[in-house]
Amino acid sequence: EIVMTQSPATLSVSPGERATLSCRASQTVGSNLAWYQQKPGQTPRLLIFGASTRATGVPARFSGSGSGTEYTLTISSLQSEDFAIYYCQQYNNWPPWTFGQGTKVEI
Amino acid sequence: QVQLVQSGAEMKKPGASVKVSCKASGYTFTDYYIHWVRQAPGQALEWMGWINPNSGTTNFAQKFQGRVTMTRDTSISTAYMELTNLRSDDTAVYFCASGRVCTGGNCYSARYFELWGRGSLITVSS
Repeated sequence: EIVMTQSPATLSVSPGERATLSCRASQTVGSNLAWYQQKPGQTPRLLIFGASTRATGVPARFSGSGSGTEYTLTISSLQSEDFAIYYCQQYNNWPPWTFGQGTKVEI
Repeated sequence: QVQLVQSGAEMKKPGASVKVSCKASGYTFTDYYIHWVRQAPGQALEWMGWINPNSGTTNFAQKFQGRVTMTRDTSISTAYMELTNLRSDDTAVYFCASGRVCTGGNCYSARYFELWGRGSLITVSS
């Protein structure tokens, strides 16, 4: 099973600032990496797939990068609606698909 | 409207079983896998398995082997996830998610999840 490790666990950022979230896989996932945003009481929202492709309707301030075992989600200028928990998910080796433990982005 | 509608919250005693439903609408149910993902309170997402609604083929995370069953009824576009021998640490929100992803008006099968149900809270307590 591939273990996904996200850092930091919590990221404190001011609105308008840049946020950089990291996700490390225990073995290469070949860019088969997705990012989700989840707000309290809501379902996860797909942001990025293929490590760097934005899903439909996702604002351009969200960008993904990385390869192999190291991946990054960047939010270029945080808006109030971006404060949430972000999860990475690998879908290269399965079963199981595996998620990281999440990074909480807070004010 | 493309959506997945799940059954409601349930409270179960340890050792009992629960069956959660997930009804798809707005697209061809048999074209895309249905996955089940759970989330314990304050915890991360955990993939449980998938069912191919067309063939009924399933695949589960090893952790749930022997305790989980996934079925479907194509006549009503509904998938089911049954978990047996419930324990307190099975308390979680159980989501269904479709492997259907649409980009630029085209939809395809994917191993990441754009369409989710709203979740079914299953509480296991004596």
